[in-house]
Formats: sequence, structure tokens, C-alpha cells
Amino acid sequence: GQNIDQPTEMTATEGAIVQINCTYQTSGFNGLFWYQQHAGEAPTFLSYNVLDGLEEKGRFSSFLSRSKGYSYLLLKELQMKDSASYLCAVGTTSYNTDKLIFGTGTRLQVFP
Amino acid sequence: GAVVSQHPSWVICKSGTSVKIECRSLDFQATTMFWYRQFPKQSLMLMATSNEGSKATYEQGVEKDKFLINHASLTLSTLTVTSAHPEDSSFYICSADRTSGGPQETQYFGPGTRLLVL
Repeated sequence: GQNIDQPTEMTATEGAIVQINCTYQTSGFNGLFWYQQHAGEAPTFLSYNVLDGLEEKGRFSSFLSRSKGYSYLLLKELQMKDSASYLCAVGTTSYNTDKLIFGTGTRLQVFP
Repeated sequence: GAVVSQHPSWVICKSGTSVKIECRSLDFQATTMFWYRQFPKQSLMLMATSNEGSKATYEQGVEKDKFLINHASLTLSTLTVTSAHPEDSSFYICSADRTSGGPQETQYFGPGTRLLVL
């Protein structure tokens, strides 16, 4: 089966650092994706990890440990506009098609 | 960047009617498109994979006869919710697969269609 877990909600203060964790158990693995989604909008791509380690992209970093089935998204210097849902997704292949399986999503609220 | 559009952006309909949602890739060709459904405060649930020129592949628990998918060209996929009922009210999002030699960011999402069935 496919199982991807994230905390449901998190809160943080403007300027702070927050880490959003994601654990997964899937029947296949082509990579780990993080998306940001503001309410009522489509998800936007943030990061992709396929090898173990940390990928840094400006204020956002993403980490992957394939042996532990674990990833996290690190957001630094939080801004009010970072209030959104953050979706962890695992890339898998089924019937020769690459597809994404999304986690439960984490709603982040940033307070002034 | 790759652009995917959806039409309509929102629709209100009476119970029992059918609703068609279009998903278009505007500046690239997509052999594969995906349809997701998202209920309030929940994550995206993959409904089906739409393949140009062939039948769609549905995820477990998704009724094929209720959610009809047609992928007639490399830039257009349609999802028809047949005999819609209030429990079908949701946010429907499509994505188009732009394979460019690697899996990174190959799915581009449309802006979504909000369906409300009265």
C-alpha cells in the first residue's frame, strides 16, 4: 500500500525557521517532491530529492533519507506569505506511467 | 514556463446534471494528464491518469462510469462528472506531464475547478 504522513498543522512566527516532516511507505520510489499550495489555488513546485541529502534553494531546503523513508522541508526567515499548505509527494511508476502520490498535507500558519 | 489551464474555474449545478471540465496544456504537448480531487482541508487524491489516444487508468475506488475522461489530443483532456450529486462537490485539479528527460517538475498543475452540486 501507499502511506505518506505529515503533521496536519503547524504554526510559527515571522522570521523563524520551521521544519515540516514527511514519512513515507510506498511500493515504488522515483523521488520525493514538495509543493506549496495556497487556499483555493493549484500546487506550485518547491523541490525535488531523489538522492539522500540536503537540497538548498534560497530560503527553502529539502532533505531526504531513502533508507528511513523520511524527508523534511525547511523554511527559513519565515514570511507571512509562507502561510500555506505544504504537500509532500512521492513519485512512483505504475503501468509504465510516472505519477505522484500526495501526502496528507501540512497547513502552516505564520504569525507576526 | 509550462502553462496549464482549466475551464471552467468554478461551476454550480443541480443534482443529477453532468459537468464537463477541460484541462489544456497551452505551450507544450502532454501525452499524459492527471486528474485529482481535493476536499476541503485535505490533500490531493489522484483519481485517474489520462493517456492520449487510449483509455484512462483509474485509481482504486474511483468509478469509471461516473467520471468519464477523454484525452483526444496532446493538449486537451476532459473530465465529465456524470449525474453529479452533492457529495461530488470538490476542487478538481488537473496536471499535465511534460517529460523532459527527468522526473523533476514534470507535472504542471492547472488552476483547479471548484464544483458545487446543489
